[in-house]
Amino acid sequence: RKEVEQDPGPFNVPEGATVAFNCTYSNSASQSFFWYRQDCRKEPKLLMSVYSSGNEDGRFTAQLNRASQYISLLIRDSKLSDSATYLCAVNMAGYALNFGKGTSLLVTP
Amino acid sequence: EAQVTQNPRYLITVTGKKLTVTCSQNMNHEYMSWYRQDPGLGLRQIYYSMNVEVTDKGDVPEGYKVSRKEKRNFPLILESPSPNQTSLYFCASSSYAPSGAPSTDTQYFGPGTRLTVL
Repeated sequence: RKEVEQDPGPFNVPEGATVAFNCTYSNSASQSFFWYRQDCRKEPKLLMSVYSSGNEDGRFTAQLNRASQYISLLIRDSKLSDSATYLCAVNMAGYALNFGKGTSLLVTP
Repeated sequence: EAQVTQNPRYLITVTGKKLTVTCSQNMNHEYMSWYRQDPGLGLRQIYYSMNVEVTDKGDVPEGYKVSRKEKRNFPLILESPSPNQTSLYFCASSSYAPSGAPSTDTQYFGPGTRLTVL
């Protein structure tokens, strides 16, 4: 069951670059969408929720496209500290989060 | 401080020796779950619990048991561990809207337990 799919990468980008990740989901009844960040061997931590109208938090912008069933994450002005794996997560209300396998980002000097 | 704790953080054991990984949360969350994470396979849910005494299988429940006797605790039990259960395990908890209304709830993860079964 591949309900949530992400390009595993790795995405290697120079500092200051803009990078975008997409995540597709198969269940049209999905209601909640999130991006998590996971550093090597650490627990996933919520980066941001994704709202229908799109939302921005500093250098990070999340978008939801229900018609095409994907969410996206845009990182502007990449920092070395942005290097991590980014997991998208999708759920139907009251049920478990389904996670993508993650997209690996490496920001280089 | 709101947190999910897991113990032990690291464990090396041998095939067949029963073990328990504890998970505890202090946020009064109804929902708790266990995941395992393996290279190339991502996070896969093992078991989850919607509330006390309510547990159900996730995607990969074989070889695991859980219990939810108290709201704050959700231990993961491996009755007879095998090498294919070598993995990184995460416990998570969240609250959710029982009505099923769209939720902005998020799952809070524990720090992980790295288990090696020889």
